[in-house]
Amino acid sequence: NAGVTQTPKFQVLKTGQSMTLQCAQDMNHEYMSWYRQDPGMGLRLIHYSVGAGITDQGEVPNGYNVSRSTTEDFPLRLLSAAPSQTSVYFCASRLLAGGYNEQFFGPGTRLTVL
Amino acid sequence: EDQVTQSPEALRLQEGESSSLNCSYTVSGLRGLFWYRQDPGKGPEFLFTLYSAGEEKEKERLKATLTKKESFLHITAPKPEDSATYLCAVQARVGGGNKLTFGTGTQLKVEL
Repeated sequence: NAGVTQTPKFQVLKTGQSMTLQCAQDMNHEYMSWYRQDPGMGLRLIHYSVGAGITDQGEVPNGYNVSRSTTEDFPLRLLSAAPSQTSVYFCASRLLAGGYNEQFFGPGTRLTVL
Repeated sequence: EDQVTQSPEALRLQEGESSSLNCSYTVSGLRGLFWYRQDPGKGPEFLFTLYSAGEEKEKERLKATLTKKESFLHITAPKPEDSATYLCAVQARVGGGNKLTFGTGTQLKVEL
């Protein structure tokens, strides 16, 4: 199992550009989520999904879009990048059944918006 | 609003010098408290889940405990490979849904 994979590892954008951060998992997890991690702020939930076709907003959803067409993939789209979106982005997944289960995180994407 | 505060922000220990990390929380009914380890440039790695006051979990040199207001991560006789940032997170029972609220972490460095 590859676990949770994210691409790219690093990305530099100019203000106003759009891009998609890719996330995939091969563990057949229903739940997938996106977090951003900023110094002094802790991890904050952007969007999450409990299954294909179902997504919902987290704590800081503005400026981001998600969709879940398959169980495996959960891409995060930045519609018009802003310097405030400079951050490290983590995708995570876990099983839904049986209460709270161990959440697996990907290696992260470090994004810089100029 | 759920809140998690971790202390200290940074901790430097000598190899073998035991210590504890603190995670204080306020939440509208605790569904679960979670500890993660994060190495530089990597994603968080799950360590423990605690569900109720009085519960304890152990893994190698780490032991997590839970009270109604805080959790401790005790590190016994640490080794340099225990150096990492340790994150605490809570999930609320009411309105928590699938959301975890994370603290900002304790950066631990264990020196020879």
